[in-house]
Amino acid sequence: EAGVAQSPRYKIIEKRQSVAFWCNPISGHATLYWYQQILGQGPKLLIQFQNNGVVDDSQLPKDRFSAERLKGVDSTLKIQPAKLEDSAVYLCASSLARTSGRIREQYFGPGTRLTVT
Amino acid sequence: KNQVEQSPQSLIILEGKNCTLQCNYTVSPFSNLRWYKQDTGRGPVSLTIMTFSENTKSNGRYTATLDADTKQSSLHITASQLSDSASYICVVISNFGNEKLTFGTGTRLTIIP
Repeated sequence: EAGVAQSPRYKIIEKRQSVAFWCNPISGHATLYWYQQILGQGPKLLIQFQNNGVVDDSQLPKDRFSAERLKGVDSTLKIQPAKLEDSAVYLCASSLARTSGRIREQYFGPGTRLTVT
Repeated sequence: KNQVEQSPQSLIILEGKNCTLQCNYTVSPFSNLRWYKQDTGRGPVSLTIMTFSENTKSNGRYTATLDADTKQSSLHITASQLSDSASYICVVISNFGNEKLTFGTGTRLTIIP
């Protein structure tokens, strides 16, 4: 079974520039998550999709971050304009759709390391 | 506020030795607790998942314990190997309408030969 794919793996940009990350979840996984992991910290959820609908984006800085999952499969996360404090690893994860009483495992991609200079 | 605290922040041990990592949480309502291993430059990989009724769960040389009364969990690694060098993250899931994951900051484990 292929895992969660992300690209690019690394990105270096200057502050105020724009950047976009791409994620392809495991086939059949309806739920997709984007996390931000700052060095030395645990991942922080940015946004959660169920198919192509947003379930939770309460911690997404909407003035500069946006995400979409138009066809309910692949997703892109964009930052515009980037700030120094956006330097982090951006992780994408996916899981099966929610089923009552069942625990859903989340599978993580390798992440995209963003450096803002 | 839901929080997960892990200790120690970092740990260095000799290859072949055992170690125990700690996790304390204040997450409600509790659904399940997970330990993840995160190698450098990789995404987290699940080691164990425990529900409220489970006290212990093993995955090879990894054994996790859960005390839901004191809201504490531990991850014990037996006969450590160089490949165990990684960050270990404790994650507590609450389930109130929608699943919410609260991540700890992780323990950075280094195994030296």
